[in-house]
Amino acid sequence: DAKTTQPTSMDCAEGRAANLPCNHSTISGNEYVYWYRQIHSQGPQYIIHGLKNNETNEMASLIITEDRKSSTLILPHATLRDTAVYYCIVRVSDSWGKLQFGAGTQVVVTP
Amino acid sequence: DGGITQSPKYLFRKEGQNVTLSCEQNLNHDAMYWYRQDPGQGLRLIYYSQIVNDFQKGDIAEGYSVSREKKESFPLTVTSAQKNPTAFYLCASSIGEVAGNQPQHFGDGTRLSIL
Repeated sequence: DAKTTQPTSMDCAEGRAANLPCNHSTISGNEYVYWYRQIHSQGPQYIIHGLKNNETNEMASLIITEDRKSSTLILPHATLRDTAVYYCIVRVSDSWGKLQFGAGTQVVVTP
Repeated sequence: DGGITQSPKYLFRKEGQNVTLSCEQNLNHDAMYWYRQDPGQGLRLIYYSQIVNDFQKGDIAEGYSVSREKKESFPLTVTSAQKNPTAFYLCASSIGEVAGNQPQHFGDGTRLSIL
């Protein structure tokens, strides 16, 4: 699976949109982009995933560039409960087994 | 509510003891997984199961064992052969089709410590 690069940390003001970037320049045509987050001492929570089209659900939006080498997770109105480590993962469509979590981005939402 | 239940939340083990971590899901998922997370690190796959009565080793299976006798249950035993068992253990499940397009959903974990 392709590797991803994310900023180590970022701050966001409560009520504002949080835009979390992820680079995956070696992504293959059959690899999906997944986003998870992990709040301290809890299990990872699935947020959203996509292949090449932009995706939106009740939690977030995922914007994937046309060349698929990078993506942005958008939390439209950040709340204090969105403070967590956010992980961007790419995964082959026909693979079984592990999700490869990197270091992620520590997002802190401030009042 | 549908979900994945791990128990206990905290577990203490004496040196030389085997312990079993429970994982139950009521999502009707075929595939189940066990991961280990050490402080400040990512998740590492221990075992996974695609279907009842079948399971495969992950990257760090040594010192662990699993069973999959029922679709909803995938217990993990940490044996005395596991030399560094102190960690946060996470169970996950997914629908179980060819898995790349199916998200894994996680339980809230069991924190295992050695006395």
